[in-house]
Amino acid sequence: LAKTTQPISMDSYEGQEVNITCSHNNIATNDYITWYQQFPSQGPRFIIQGYKTKVTNEVASLFIPADRKSSTLSLPRVSLSDTAVYYCLVGDMNLSGYSTLTFGKGTMLLVSP
Amino acid sequence: DGGITQSPKYLFRKEGQNVTLSCEQNLNHDAMYWYRQDPGQGLRLIYYSQIVNDFQKGDIAEGYSVSREKKESFPLTVTSAQKNPTAFYLCATSPPGPEQYFGPGTRLTVT
Repeated sequence: LAKTTQPISMDSYEGQEVNITCSHNNIATNDYITWYQQFPSQGPRFIIQGYKTKVTNEVASLFIPADRKSSTLSLPRVSLSDTAVYYCLVGDMNLSGYSTLTFGKGTMLLVSP
Repeated sequence: DGGITQSPKYLFRKEGQNVTLSCEQNLNHDAMYWYRQDPGQGLRLIYYSQIVNDFQKGDIAEGYSVSREKKESFPLTVTSAQKNPTAFYLCATSPPGPEQYFGPGTRLTVT
């Protein structure tokens, strides 16, 4: 599984756009990029997943450049409730179609009033 | 966590005792996983199962055991051989694909 590097922490204010970048220099051709969000004492929650270019859903956008060696999670107009740890994961699926995820330490995002 | 139940939320045990953590799901997912999380750290995979009566070791399986007798259930036993069992334990399930669904977790304290 490709190793990922992301900032340990980030600070923001309510209403701002937050961009969290993740580096994955040795990403493989079959790897996809997935982001999870975790609140204290809860299990992680899937946010978004992509392979290349841009993916957008109701929660976030994921930007992946052509070389796929990095990705950026974009959270529009954050609120206090977006304070959480954000994990970037890169991985493949086995022949059965299931994935085993490797979580790093993630990025602790603190949103202030 | 909808559809995934982990009980109890908090569990206390004395050192040297085995303890079993429950994970039940009604999502009809074939794959189930157990992770351990220590303070300030990411999740580490203990065991996973992609089908009933079959399971594989993850990155930190030593001192743990699992069973998968039913599709809905994937209990984890923390044995006395686990050197540092105090942690937050998370169960997850998934359909085929990259997304996993996590339960609410069980916080185990061993003294």
